[in-house]
Order: sequence, then structure tokens, then C-alpha cells
Amino acid sequence: ETGVTQTPRHLVMGMTNKKSLKCEQHLGHNAMYWYKQSAKKPLELMFVYNFKEQTENNSVPSRFSPECPNSSHLFLHLHTLQPEDSALYLCASSQDRESGRAPLHFGNGTRLTVT
Amino acid sequence: SQQGEEDPQALSIQEGENATMNCSYKTSINNLQWYRQNSGRGLVHLILIRSNEREKHSGRLRVTLDTSKKSSSLLITASRAADTASYFCAPGPITGRRALTFGSGTRLQVQP
Repeated sequence: ETGVTQTPRHLVMGMTNKKSLKCEQHLGHNAMYWYKQSAKKPLELMFVYNFKEQTENNSVPSRFSPECPNSSHLFLHLHTLQPEDSALYLCASSQDRESGRAPLHFGNGTRLTVT
Repeated sequence: SQQGEEDPQALSIQEGENATMNCSYKTSINNLQWYRQNSGRGLVHLILIRSNEREKHSGRLRVTLDTSKKSSSLLITASRAADTASYFCAPGPITGRRALTFGSGTRLQVQP
């Protein structure tokens, strides 16, 4: 148990569907992150939130829409995705947004398949 | 780029042997972290070494840091089949983007 819970663990969706990924942490952390891990590619940082405010958007297409209603919850809303968006989506949290100074705690990810 | 680059890309050893993985980076750092990822799971933080430290131990793990060469190494002693995973280094930069970024990692296979 990592303290960071992601749901669902697996998701299959069509290109016209709308779905959401959920992440929840009970570690009292103030920063939360979305990363994307595609096959044979390095982990890609997508979004960073600190105290519910987005502090980084790494040029992510608008078909990915993050939402952070509070410091414990993070969502990634998906719509009109492409097959190349199929990947493992990882959520992480840390004590503060300067994660270079504190460890990241990762969830076990959502395996997304876009058909 | 502030991410680390791990070397080798893949490593296969027998149970009981030691495994050494290397990391190189380009920026000035505040610290450097190592993570492990089992297949299909999230990354797990292993150890953090600060820029003013040269060596750190945690159980069977030994991490070294050479800031003059901008490099680090992770040694796993007496490896076990359960150590089979991918290992990533993550330099924590002093300036610029604060969130950690990761390279492609080293895939370690420990044969029983």
C-alpha cells in the first residue's frame, strides 16, 4: 500500500468516449502530479498541482484535462483520445511541489487502452 | 534536460551477485533520488542522497554521488529474484523546473 490510490486500475475506451482517472492520497501532501508512461519511452511529466493550483503543464494536449478539487484528490479527464494515448498513467504526491527536495509517492497507475 | 540517464539499459545477473547501475546528469543538483518500478506498477522511492554527501547506505543498497562528474551509482548487493525491476535515478535540480523527471531506467533481471 503506497498511500496513493488510483482508480480504475485498467480502462479501455473508444476514441469518442469521455472518461476520468482518479487519484487520492492520504499522506497529507500538498503537491500532486500526473505522469504518463508509454511503452519504450521515459516517464513524461504531464501536470503538477501545488495546494490545488496548477503550477506546471508540460505542453499536454487539451484532450487531457486535469482537476484538483483539494490537496488530497486529483483527476484526469479524458476525451477524444487517440490510440497513441494508450499508456500507464501514474499519479504521485509529495510534501511540496519542489519534489527535488522530497520523495515522490506513486500510485500503481491506470493502464489505459484507447481503441 | 534535467533528467538523469541510466546505464546500462538492461542488466541480467544471477541471484546472489551484485548489481551496479549508473546515472549521469547535466544540471547542478540539490540531491539525487533513486526509484524502483516493478512491471506495471508505480515507482517506489529507494533512497535520496544530498549533494554534500558522497555515499549512502540503506540495507543492501549503496548509493554514491560524484557531483564533479555529475554521476551517481546504485549498488545492490547479494541480489534476489525479487530485485527484478526497472531502476530510475532522478536528479533534484537547484534551479529551473522543480518537479522530478525521469530517464528510461535500467531494467534489472535477477535469475534465480
